[in-house]
Order: sequence, then structure tokens, then C-alpha cells
Amino acid sequence: DGGITQSPKYLFRKEGQNVTLSCEQNLNHDAMYWYRQDPGQGLRLIYYSQIVNDFQKGDIAEGYSVSREKKESFPLTVTSAQKNPTAFYLCASTGTGDVNEQFFGPGTRLTVL
Amino acid sequence: DQQVKQNSPSLSVQEGRISILNCDYTNSMFDYFLWYKKYPAEGPTFLISISSIKDKNEDGRFTVFLNKSAKHLSLHIVPSQPGDSAVYFCAASGRNNNDMRFGAGTRLTVKP
Repeated sequence: DGGITQSPKYLFRKEGQNVTLSCEQNLNHDAMYWYRQDPGQGLRLIYYSQIVNDFQKGDIAEGYSVSREKKESFPLTVTSAQKNPTAFYLCASTGTGDVNEQFFGPGTRLTVL
Repeated sequence: DQQVKQNSPSLSVQEGRISILNCDYTNSMFDYFLWYKKYPAEGPTFLISISSIKDKNEDGRFTVFLNKSAKHLSLHIVPSQPGDSAVYFCAASGRNNNDMRFGAGTRLTVKP
């Protein structure tokens, strides 16, 4: 079954700690994205990657880092520099070409204690 | 700067009636518009889209209307079913996926 998986579903972190959110896809998609969702706001783009070993900052990249060593994987690290990391994080992917609908994972809810 | 706005955070309709979800955008460079549906504890799933060269696109019970002069689009669901109860996100994009902007969502409740 093709799709996107994110783990863990819930994550708790102490202030000052870095934490890495996993995102894996088996859709053979070139492009992958990380979004953040806060209550009352739309999804905001953190980072995106259009091809392996390349990624670009989105609108709210500060305090986050990513890597794209494999086509299937696009992990997101929330660093201690992120001032307000508690949020719902969504990973997505899409095929190349014109604008396509994005396929989303189930999300990870991160809570900073 | 919210370029895509869904001004109604929630909407409640009776089963069998029409649901109309609205979305406004500010960027005239957007030319591709999408609706996503999200159930609790799941990621959004694509529902329907429309490009700027059209003013209507229909898929079963779902129809999206685009009014470019008003920078407004709407999603009509008819007839509404209880299983349609979810959060609906409007999204808009320019020429590529990296420009996609999402609204805050509208929570639709369809009462039996």
C-alpha cells in the first residue's frame, strides 16, 4: 500500500532538547514538504525538498533543520532554537511536473513540557 | 500575511441539505486551487481542484466554483452526509507546489 508514514504520532520534549520527526514515503515522489499547523491557522511551510540532497527553506524555517539523503525519507529536526515548537507537524509529498495535489502523512503532535 | 482565508471556522448543516464552504484569496498570481478534507488524527486528503481557466469543476457530490474577479472560491457538497463531517482546507498555488498556501480550515458538521 503506497503512502506516507510519520512517526511518532505523539512526541513530548523537554525545553532545550532537539527532537527529530520521521517522514517516509513509498510513492516514488520526488518532492517532499514539512508543514506546521497551529490552532486557527492554515498549514505553514517549514522546509521542502524537490530532489535528493537538496532542500529549501519555507516560510517558517527558523529553528528547524532537515536532511534528504534518500528519496523516501525527509526527517525534520526541531531544535532548541525554535521558540514555540508545540504544534502539529505534517509531512507531504507530490510528484513532479505541474501543480499536483499533495499527499499527507497522519501527522505528529509535538508538545514541549 | 494570510493569503488564503476561510472566514467561517465552523459550519453545521442537516443531512441531505447543501453545504457551502467559502474561501477568499488575495494573491492574483494564484492559478490553481484545491480543497482538502481532514479527519481527526489523520493528515489532509485531497478532495477536488480547479485551475484558473475554469469557473466550475464537479466530482460527484462535490463542486468547486471559482470567481477570479472576486478572488473567491467555494465548495458545494450536495447532498451532505454525516460522513462528510470533517475539517475542510482551501489551498491555492502559483505555478508550482512550493507556493501553495492554505486557509485555516472550516469544520463541517453534518447532523443526521
